Amino acid sequence: GQSLEQPSEVTAVEGAIVQINCTYQTSGFYGLSWYQQHDGGAPTFLSYNALDGLEETGRFSSFLSRSDSYGYLLLQELQMKDSASYFCAAGGANAGKSTFGDGTTLTVKP
Amino acid sequence: DTAVSQTPKYLVTQMGNDKSIKCEQNLGHDTMYWYKQDSKKFLKIMFSYNNKELIINETVPNRFSPKSPDKAHLNLHINSLELGDSAVYFCASAWRGGGEQFFGPGTRLTVL
Repeated sequence: GQSLEQPSEVTAVEGAIVQINCTYQTSGFYGLSWYQQHDGGAPTFLSYNALDGLEETGRFSSFLSRSDSYGYLLLQELQMKDSASYFCAAGGANAGKSTFGDGTTLTVKP
Repeated sequence: DTAVSQTPKYLVTQMGNDKSIKCEQNLGHDTMYWYKQDSKKFLKIMFSYNNKELIINETVPNRFSPKSPDKAHLNLHINSLELGDSAVYFCASAWRGGGEQFFGPGTRLTVL
């Protein structure tokens, strides 16, 4: 089976940097994805790591360490609109299955 | 054009009724999913189809029956609805083996 752990809540101020960690236990791990979901909206894809290392996409970066079964999402220059839930998701080797973490609610304060 | 669409957006119904939710994707993806998101926002996979074939069924009650008439469509039929079925149901699509899933707008199901 697969399980992922991430913090339930994180609070930061505008302009700051925040890191959301995700540890996973999976069989046949394939890669780690990150999604953002605003209240009332659908999850939207942010980033994907299949290999160890850092992936950068604008203000957002994601990191993966397979040996540590660990990844994180780094959000820089926080804006109010970044207040949302963030989910890490692990794909199995089958890749037909995707298990999501329970989500981290990020609150950005002025 | 909407990449992944679902209908209806809202569904309010009585316990015991049968209802369906439809999903279509125009991205040419080979894999489609149904997820359930409860009031605590936990997102749980229910089913996964690859090229119209069921590949994942996550201990979902057999009152839930997915149907994929072609690889662009994945519908969800629910029999004998129960209060606990109230949730938001998301359809998603992706390339099998890819890390990016595209989600539909969701269907908010309320069972009274």
